[in-house]
Amino acid sequence: EVQLVESGGGLVKPGGSLRLSCVASGISFSNAWMNWVRQAPGKGLEWVGRIQTESDGGTRDYAAPVKGRFTISREDSKNMLYLQMDSLETEDTGVYYCSTLTRWGQGTLVTVSS
Amino acid sequence: DIVLTQTPLSLPVTLGQPASISCRSSQGLVYSDGDTYLSWLQQRPGQPPRLLIYKISHRFSGVPDRFSGSGAGTDFTLKISRVEAEDVAVYYCMQATQFATFGQGTRVEI
Repeated sequence: EVQLVESGGGLVKPGGSLRLSCVASGISFSNAWMNWVRQAPGKGLEWVGRIQTESDGGTRDYAAPVKGRFTISREDSKNMLYLQMDSLETEDTGVYYCSTLTRWGQGTLVTVSS
Repeated sequence: DIVLTQTPLSLPVTLGQPASISCRSSQGLVYSDGDTYLSWLQQRPGQPPRLLIYKISHRFSGVPDRFSGSGAGTDFTLKISRVEAEDVAVYYCMQATQFATFGQGTRVEI
């Protein structure tokens, strides 16, 4: 069974940082391009960014609203995906999903508020 | 950036009747490998998204055959042949040809 399990969400003040994690099981993680997708409360889905496999070059791409503030990384030996979020803004509030774009985790809630 | 526009945004349906959602892309979605990476997702209340259809018309594992996808170029459609109560959800089209973007979502309600 494929499972993607996110963790690390919580309440953080504007300007603060947070690191999200996602552990994968049931998939060949090292062969998967991994994505982060977020959903603001009551809103639609927004792609945050992705990381290619190491064999494909490991390139990271980001959506414009998060470029320069968020960093995606992976640790294939542990089947782990990470999202380092710095300089957080209130607009970053939402549920963050780890996804292969075919499989989705349950999400972790990030709230940016003073 | 590729923009996906869904219509309608709200779709009242009758149980047992068909339903249809359209998705129009701001540009063609054919990737360099010849495939078109247009998918449809279902998100039930309080749940994460779930993949229904990939590459325009391929049903994902475990998806009932009352769901079907079609289209080409920049115009795509998701059809539900006979709506069931469990189909109440928000449906998104998604393109993964150029990074990823999503339509605004269509709320299907009884």
